[in-house]
Amino acid sequence: DADVTQTPRNRITKTGKRIMLECSQTKGHDRMYWYRQDPGLGLQLIYYSFDVKDINKGEISDGYSVSRQAQAKFSLSLESAIPNQTALYFCATSDRGGAEAFFGQGTRLTVV
Amino acid sequence: ILNVEQSPQSLHVQEGDSTNFTCSFPSSNFYALHWYRWETAKSPEALFVMTLNGDEKKKGRISATLNTKEGYSYLYIKGSQPEDSATYLCAPRNSNSGYALNFGKGTSLLVTP
Repeated sequence: DADVTQTPRNRITKTGKRIMLECSQTKGHDRMYWYRQDPGLGLQLIYYSFDVKDINKGEISDGYSVSRQAQAKFSLSLESAIPNQTALYFCATSDRGGAEAFFGQGTRLTVV
Repeated sequence: ILNVEQSPQSLHVQEGDSTNFTCSFPSSNFYALHWYRWETAKSPEALFVMTLNGDEKKKGRISATLNTKEGYSYLYIKGSQPEDSATYLCAPRNSNSGYALNFGKGTSLLVTP
């Protein structure tokens, strides 16, 4: 089983719908991250959390919210999805020392 | 948010060629520099983490150096092979960005036989 699991792996949703992407990890790491990837733009940081209930904005947090209610889970919500949120989303985790981040397999989200 | 620059944006080399990429980042309040390798349809995988000025790391044919005073890191690939084709991402961390991983846009490498 993967150490960092994202669900769903693929999702098509309509403009204006609320959608939640889930991330769970079995590595026991304190730190969790959400990134989105658009062609030519690399990985852009949306939100990150260094502990349960700790939430920090990244470079592109507008239009997104997150929840960290347990160490192993970090969920990303789009309250009202819009087409330019169509992207590949990655969750990642790292330990307190931050020596290495481990990524989930990605969620491909399409907003039509 | 850190200003991270990677160059070149893309690179196409022949099998056996050696190549290198650059990652530039703010030198102030530096904490660590990460390199990741990202193959198409897969998740990014860690290559190196460097923290000290002058650090050099090596993994097989891939090596990296770090200059924290001037704010840059080089990634070298010796004798490129087709399986090296991937996007190479760097991510500096410093106290100004809360020690989060902020990635550059990456260098896309294509190695043809």
